[in-house]
Amino acid sequence: EPEVTQTPSHQVTQMGQEVILRCVPISNHLYFYWYRQILGQKVEFLVSFYNNEISEKSEIFDDQFSVERPDGSNFTLKIRSTKLEDSAMYFCASSEGRGEVYEQYFGPGTRLTVT
Amino acid sequence: AQTVTQSQPEMSVQEAETVTLSCTYDTSENNYYLFWYKQPPSRQMILVIRQEAYKQQNATENRFSVNFQKAAKSFSLKISDSQLGDTAMYFCAFMKHYRTSYDKVIFGPGTSLSVIP
Repeated sequence: EPEVTQTPSHQVTQMGQEVILRCVPISNHLYFYWYRQILGQKVEFLVSFYNNEISEKSEIFDDQFSVERPDGSNFTLKIRSTKLEDSAMYFCASSEGRGEVYEQYFGPGTRLTVT
Repeated sequence: AQTVTQSQPEMSVQEAETVTLSCTYDTSENNYYLFWYKQPPSRQMILVIRQEAYKQQNATENRFSVNFQKAAKSFSLKISDSQLGDTAMYFCAFMKHYRTSYDKVIFGPGTSLSVIP
């Protein structure tokens, strides 16, 4: 069964450093998303992406964040200058965008630790 | 704005018993989807079951079923014959239904379920 994959599974970085989180969505899906979950808290929407542009972003998704689909398979989230409060689990998700089925399928997540 | 509430932060159930997790939501939309996601200790987010708001019939998936009360804006999850592998955090979630499909999922705060042997 096709699945969303994410790399790395765990990333440790120092405050102020740039990080890139990578995702490979399901191959025939058209819509892509990033969410984050701070430990012990609920999952929060960051950004959605369709047709090579951002569809919607939350107030969390400030100028420090950017997303890109550099080729036909990868979808990346970049944090330019990490802060301690960026430590969280980051989930990528994708959805097919056709017909009546709109479920988002989530990847296993990348745990980001900022020290 | 849509909100999702789960009033039970933690629950436990004996193995093989039945448990019901509660969820309420607030929206002015008429067309939407509701979901239950399971997050085991591995923290992977797994879709358990979904319900289209325009369908009156409650969704079922094997041991999992929902009680969808649209007027009351209630969407509870029933797990029958609970198994140890059901131990996880369960998130109720909401998504608006558009003709295009790129809307975001809004999650509740979660209910931590422990299945006791």
